[in-house]
Amino acid sequence: ETGVTQTPRHLVMGMTNKKSLKCEQHLGHNAMYWYKQSAKKPLELMFVYNFKEQTENNSVPSRFSPECPNSSHLFLHLHTLQPEDSALYLCASSSEGSFPDTQYFGPGTRLTVL
Amino acid sequence: DQQVKQNSPSLSVQEGRISILNCDYTNSMFDYFLWYKKYPAEGPTFLISISSIKDKNEDGRFTVFLNKSAKHLSLHIVPSQPGDSAVYFCAASASAGNMLTFGGGTRLMVKP
Repeated sequence: ETGVTQTPRHLVMGMTNKKSLKCEQHLGHNAMYWYKQSAKKPLELMFVYNFKEQTENNSVPSRFSPECPNSSHLFLHLHTLQPEDSALYLCASSSEGSFPDTQYFGPGTRLTVL
Repeated sequence: DQQVKQNSPSLSVQEGRISILNCDYTNSMFDYFLWYKKYPAEGPTFLISISSIKDKNEDGRFTVFLNKSAKHLSLHIVPSQPGDSAVYFCAASASAGNMLTFGGGTRLMVKP
């Protein structure tokens, strides 16, 4: 497996459910990101992890909870979401500290909240 | 307020002709710019980048131009091919950090 992988690719959940999105990068990078892409809006950065430490939380509601157990894995735990949270959630990775810092994206998880 | 803007939501071009996608930014701290291409049901794929010390970077059919005084960059694709049909995002970052700010994207359709 190469690049950045995300599972599941599609997820439908009710507002009372708890689910998790998983991201894994096989590029030897040390920074990982969660982005949200809603219809007709730019990609919005949610969280940044550098060397497993969260360095950015872009005013994301607490119903989204990230976890980065190591430099290769990133999770996004979801609970009590709202229908407006339906979007494409993208994971990316890069080599923090290098310049230029090009981010490489996974295929995304299409989330639908009913 | 959006710091990176792509004012054309869509562009249609005939196969073999040039495609020009535009991007404007407002933050003068941005010094590294990237273009990503996104097909449906896939994540964005890195295409080409340029740093602020250059005004042009070329890679095969793709060329990015940067006009720092106008805070404007453009992506030229020549010749355009039907497989180039996708959504193109420009993104910018400042060397002090690793956060990318994305534009809203332009959907390119190349007609055979």
